[in-house]
Amino acid sequence: ILNVEQSPQSLHVQEGDSTNFTCSFPSSNFYALHWYRWETAKSPEALFVMTLNGDEKKKGRISATLNTKEGYSYLYIKGSQPEDSATYLCAFIRGTTGFQKLVFGTGTRLLVSP
Amino acid sequence: DAGVTQSPTHLIKTRGQQVTLRCSPISGHKSVSWYQQVLGQGPQFIFQYYEKEERGRGNFPDRFSARQFPNYSSELNVNALLLGDSALYLCASSSLGGDGYTFGSGTRLTVV
Repeated sequence: ILNVEQSPQSLHVQEGDSTNFTCSFPSSNFYALHWYRWETAKSPEALFVMTLNGDEKKKGRISATLNTKEGYSYLYIKGSQPEDSATYLCAFIRGTTGFQKLVFGTGTRLLVSP
Repeated sequence: DAGVTQSPTHLIKTRGQQVTLRCSPISGHKSVSWYQQVLGQGPQFIFQYYEKEERGRGNFPDRFSARQFPNYSSELNVNALLLGDSALYLCASSSLGGDGYTFGSGTRLTVV
């Protein structure tokens, strides 16, 4: 994998369902992986910054895991609520000391129906 | 504490015109990055500036330029606008080498 790939592209679940998304990224020269939550007409909101293989991070009902050796990260949402409806972006940090850029996937669009 | 602010929020320009977009970073953040997001794609890196110096440039033509001011605010300029420049332009600020980026809500540019 040369860039960041996210799946699925979109997901429609019912309130209370648990769901998960996948982010695949280049496993060589890993520095960090970011997850963002982006609601329409708002700014992308940082959820997690993950740096270590085996990292697991949690924020309320949302959690994420990281496998840098195989180049993937999972984002889990437990008991989805309508307010979780948003696009979830992952981004791989690429660069060197003094310069870094985020390489984004195309995102997973989540719609949670009441 | 104010977040990253961008102006204007929306604008419409004609092909061939020039546009300037503005960004004010979070207080204390010295690095500003610009991203272009076209519908259906993830944001694409355009520039990173730190302490008024360009630190990195994405795969964009020379019609795109930027600068950073002593107060760390930044401007993105696009000359000779094309229809394909229609996009959401996002600004993000960070402390260099820091863990997180804070994004503004973007400027929606429409070229007609």
